[in-house]
Amino acid sequence: NAGVTQTPKFRVLKTGQSMTLLCAQDMNHEYMYWYRQDPGMGLRLIHYSVGEGTTAKGEVPDGYNVSRLKKQNFLLGLESAAPSQTSVYFCASTPQTLREQYFGPGTRLTVT
Amino acid sequence: KNQVEQSPQSLIILEGKNCTLQCNYTVSPFSNLRWYKQDTGRGPVSLTIMTFSENTKSNGRYTATLDADTKQSSLHITASQLSDSASYICVVTKVTSGGSYIPTFGRGTSLIVHP
Repeated sequence: NAGVTQTPKFRVLKTGQSMTLLCAQDMNHEYMYWYRQDPGMGLRLIHYSVGEGTTAKGEVPDGYNVSRLKKQNFLLGLESAAPSQTSVYFCASTPQTLREQYFGPGTRLTVT
Repeated sequence: KNQVEQSPQSLIILEGKNCTLQCNYTVSPFSNLRWYKQDTGRGPVSLTIMTFSENTKSNGRYTATLDADTKQSSLHITASQLSDSASYICVVTKVTSGGSYIPTFGRGTSLIVHP
């Protein structure tokens, strides 16, 4: 049982490049989330999913897209990366909304 | 605006001492409040979760309290250990009219435990 895994762990992009961050969980959780964490700020919700095939916008969705084609995977895409998207990205999952969220180890993304 | 404010921003204590971290929130309508511990370079790990009807929850040396009337919560750490050095994050989740649960994270309190 690996829990929540994120790929890649680190990435450097140039402005305008695109990439996809992968989150995978093996706990059969319904809910999955993508957050970003910036220095001096709390984690902010980008997008979330309440089940396979569903996605919804969070607090800071602009510049990102997501897909949940399989229950165990939640993908976060950056179509045209900007320096403002330099951050640490965390994925989380939970079986129910009133249960704890399990976080992945994070992806450190730098956009130059 | 839904906000979660934590205090102090940082705290240094000696090993073996107790400490209390504070969380005030304006998030509404309230669903639940969680405390997380985040070690440097890692994802947050859940410590406690409380709903509206709960006013205290313990997890080992961690005890969280909730006063839903004053919209305040605290996390008390007893007999601190060096491994308690971390950021402690308060998260308040609201439920929207559409039935979605949206969390708002505080900025965290950075705790350093010295030997």
